[in-house]
Amino acid sequence: EDQVTQSPEALRLQEGESSSLNCSYTVSGLRGLFWYRQDPGKGPEFLFTLYSAGEEKEKERLKATLTKKESFLHITAPKPEDSATYLCAVQDYGNNRLAFGKGNQVVVIP
Amino acid sequence: ETGVTQTPRHLVMGMTNKKSLKCEQHLGHNAMYWYKQSAKKPLELMFVYSLEERVENNSVPSRFSPECPNSSHLFLHLHTLQPEDSALYLCASSTRQGEIDEQFFGPGTRLTVL
Repeated sequence: EDQVTQSPEALRLQEGESSSLNCSYTVSGLRGLFWYRQDPGKGPEFLFTLYSAGEEKEKERLKATLTKKESFLHITAPKPEDSATYLCAVQDYGNNRLAFGKGNQVVVIP
Repeated sequence: ETGVTQTPRHLVMGMTNKKSLKCEQHLGHNAMYWYKQSAKKPLELMFVYSLEERVENNSVPSRFSPECPNSSHLFLHLHTLQPEDSALYLCASSTRQGEIDEQFFGPGTRLTVL
């Protein structure tokens, strides 16, 4: 069965203090790994898809990387508007559904 | 309207009520999904429709009944729910179920069962 573990569960950052979020996964064959951002009371907003180890993608202050066992979401010089819960999900070749982690709750303090 | 819309955004119902959640996608996608999101838990997949055919029913109790009349609309009919069914219900759509599956979500319906 697919497993997705995100750490840390919660993170408080000072504005400008860069940090990384971790998503560890176990699948029989990775079709894709997805990162979403979710604001309170709203639906997840799609950020990135990563397909293979070594791949990197960037969007503003966010950079996602992928290895064979985990993905990192790096937040560079965060701003208060980066406060959100970041969700990681994997799609397995053997099981087309997305398996989600519990999320990383990030609070950026001005 | 753009993206994925859901109505109502908030719903409070008693255990004996019958209500329906509505989802509409404006992205031209052909797969639609219902998820349940509870506090401190990962998103739980409930139902998947591909080309208007239900392709997955993830052991969901019969008090939840989905309906997909066309590729743009998805409903979740609710009947005699329990308090533990209180959660955020999310609808999503994607280009094709079975390929790389970038799913796009609606804003959700916050359901409270009294």
